[in-house]
Amino acid sequence: GQNIDQPTEMTATEGAIVQINCTYQTSGFNGLFWYQQHAGEAPTFLSYNVLDGLEEKGRFSSFLSRSKGYSYLLLKELQMKDSASYLCALDGNNRLAFGKGNQVVVIP
Amino acid sequence: DAGITQSPRHKVTETGTPVTLRCHQTENHRYMYWYRQDPGHGLRLIHYSYGVKDTDKGEVSDGYSVSRSKTEDFLLTLESATSSQTSVYFCAISESFIDDANYGYTFGSGTRLTVV
Repeated sequence: GQNIDQPTEMTATEGAIVQINCTYQTSGFNGLFWYQQHAGEAPTFLSYNVLDGLEEKGRFSSFLSRSKGYSYLLLKELQMKDSASYLCALDGNNRLAFGKGNQVVVIP
Repeated sequence: DAGITQSPRHKVTETGTPVTLRCHQTENHRYMYWYRQDPGHGLRLIHYSYGVKDTDKGEVSDGYSVSRSKTEDFLLTLESATSSQTSVYFCAISESFIDDANYGYTFGSGTRLTVV
């Protein structure tokens, strides 16, 4: 089986940087996804890491360390619209296994 | 848009009644999935399909059945709805590869089901 842990909630100020962590235990996986989900909406793709290291996409970056069972999502220059839940998910055997998600609240 | 639609978007039903949710795609993707999302649990896989008439169970399949008679449609049936099945249900589609043009998994807008 798989065990994926994420902190449940964090609050950050507009313009700041926030790091969302995800730790996991699994027997194997192809890659790790990060999704953003606004309340009442579907998850939307943010990033996908296969290899160890940092993937940068504009204000969002994602890091993976397979040896440590650890990933993080870095959100820079926070905007009010970034208030959402951020989901970490392992991709393996043609299906996704999700963590419980981390709710980020951005305050002015 | 993403080529995946769910129906209905909202439904209220009584305990013990059968309920069918529909997921329709226009992307011709091989894989289709049903997840449920509940507070404190995140998204959990109910059933998935890897082709027409090919389905398998996920981690929370009890009380649910699925059918896929056409590539584009994946149906989720609650044979006898219970209050514990009150949830938001998401359908997803994917192909078996990920590249710059294919983000892997695409989710429908969700169905909010309330069992009273």
